[in-house]
Amino acid sequence: DGGITQSPKYLFRKEGQNVTLSCEQNLNHDAMYWYRQDPGQGLRLIYYSQIVNDFQKGDIAEGYSVSREKKESFPLTVTSAQKNPTAFYLCASSSRTRGSETQYFGPGTRLLVL
Amino acid sequence: EDQVTQSPEALRLQEGESSSLNCSYTVSGLRGLFWYRQDPGKGPEFLFTLYSAGEEKEKERLKATLTKKESFLHITAPKPEDSATYLCAVQASGTYKYIFGTGTRLKVLA
Repeated sequence: DGGITQSPKYLFRKEGQNVTLSCEQNLNHDAMYWYRQDPGQGLRLIYYSQIVNDFQKGDIAEGYSVSREKKESFPLTVTSAQKNPTAFYLCASSSRTRGSETQYFGPGTRLLVL
Repeated sequence: EDQVTQSPEALRLQEGESSSLNCSYTVSGLRGLFWYRQDPGKGPEFLFTLYSAGEEKEKERLKATLTKKESFLHITAPKPEDSATYLCAVQASGTYKYIFGTGTRLKVLA
C-alpha cells in the first residue's frame, strides 16, 4: 500500500524540549513538504525539499529544523526556540504531472505543549 | 502578492440541496489549482488538479471548474458523508510552493 505515514499521532512537548516528528513516504516522490495548520488559518509552509540532502525554508521556518538524508524520509524537529508550537502538523510529498506537482498528505501529527 | 480566497467560510445544506464553493486566486502565472477534502483531525485528501481555464473534472457528486480568476467546486445532491472542510490551493509558475486558502466548512444535514 503506497502512502505517507506520520508518527506519532499525538505528541506532547515540555517547556525547553526539542521534539521530532516523523514523516515517511513510499510513493517514490522526490519532493517533500512540512506544513503547520492552525484553526481558521490556511496551511502554512515550514520547510520543503526537492531532492535528497537539499531543503529550503518556507514561510514560517523559525524554530524548526529538518533533514533529508533519504528520499523516503523528511523528519521535522520542533526546537525550544518555537514559542508557540501547539498545532496540527502535516507532511506532504508530490509527484510531477503535466508540469505541475500534485501534493499528497499524510494523516498529521497533533503537537501539544504541557 | 499571490493569494487564495475561499468563500463561503461555512455552508450548511440539506441533503440533496446542490450548491457551489468558490476559490478566487491571484497568482503570477498559474501552474496548477488543487482541491482537497479534509475531515476533522485528518490530513487533506486529494480531489482534483486543474491546469488551465475551461478545464473541468468530475468525481461522483463533485465537479471542479476553472476560469482565469477562480475555481468552483460544485456539489450535486450532497449527502451527509460529504460534510468536511474543502481546501483550495494554487501553485504559481516558477515556484515549488503552494498557497492554500482557509477552506470552506461544509455541513450536510440529513
